[in-house]
Amino acid sequence: SYVLTQAPSVSVAPGQTATIACGGNNIGSYIVHWYQQRSGQAPVLVVYDDTDRPSGIPERFSGSNSGDTATLTISRAEAGDEADYYCQVWDSTVDHSRMVFGGGTKLTVL
Amino acid sequence: QVQLVESGGGAVQPGRSLRLSCVASGFTFSTHGMHWVRQAPGKGLEWVTSISYDGRNEYYIDSVKGRFTISRDNPRNTVYLQVSSLKPEDTAVYYCAKDKGSGYCSGGRCYVRVDSWGQGTLVRVAS
Repeated sequence: SYVLTQAPSVSVAPGQTATIACGGNNIGSYIVHWYQQRSGQAPVLVVYDDTDRPSGIPERFSGSNSGDTATLTISRAEAGDEADYYCQVWDSTVDHSRMVFGGGTKLTVL
Repeated sequence: QVQLVESGGGAVQPGRSLRLSCVASGFTFSTHGMHWVRQAPGKGLEWVTSISYDGRNEYYIDSVKGRFTISRDNPRNTVYLQVSSLKPEDTAVYYCAKDKGSGYCSGGRCYVRVDSWGQGTLVRVAS
């Protein structure tokens, strides 16, 4: 089955740029989505269809996807960006169709 | 404003059953795929099951096939998850989740993503 790999944790200083990677075999051929989950809360969609932002999500959040790595970039990081971030794809083959999440990356804003 | 309100969780013994419900409002329910995603304590998100907008297609993670059943009642704006033969490893917060659209694949690329989540209902399986 398809596997998405994320680093367990990433740290960033306030005002700097955080980069959260999501690795998968030829992930560039998939459509990737990103979710933010603050402590004790339900997830929130922050980037969908590789690069698009839902309404209400700051322009500081951006995504890219190519080759074997998709990336969520958070510019000008703020304390409120501290959260777990998950990448997600839908894996559809002849044998199965399923939603796949990465293991999540905990972002710490130091 | 989209709202998803789950209910039906609780503490149960292994082998027992529960029916989770999710009542939706604020959007045209019958045109959106729906999903259940769970999160075990201290763990990441795990997709459980999805149902197409018209209820004709269902998808499950392997670990729940034959034990869990998703269904929907479009006139009642409700999606259900019947969970049976529960195991301790099923202990988790279960989130009801709305697809951004109907959820579809085109040209080998699949547009299935969640744009709204409920607050979750806790299922605890222990003897």
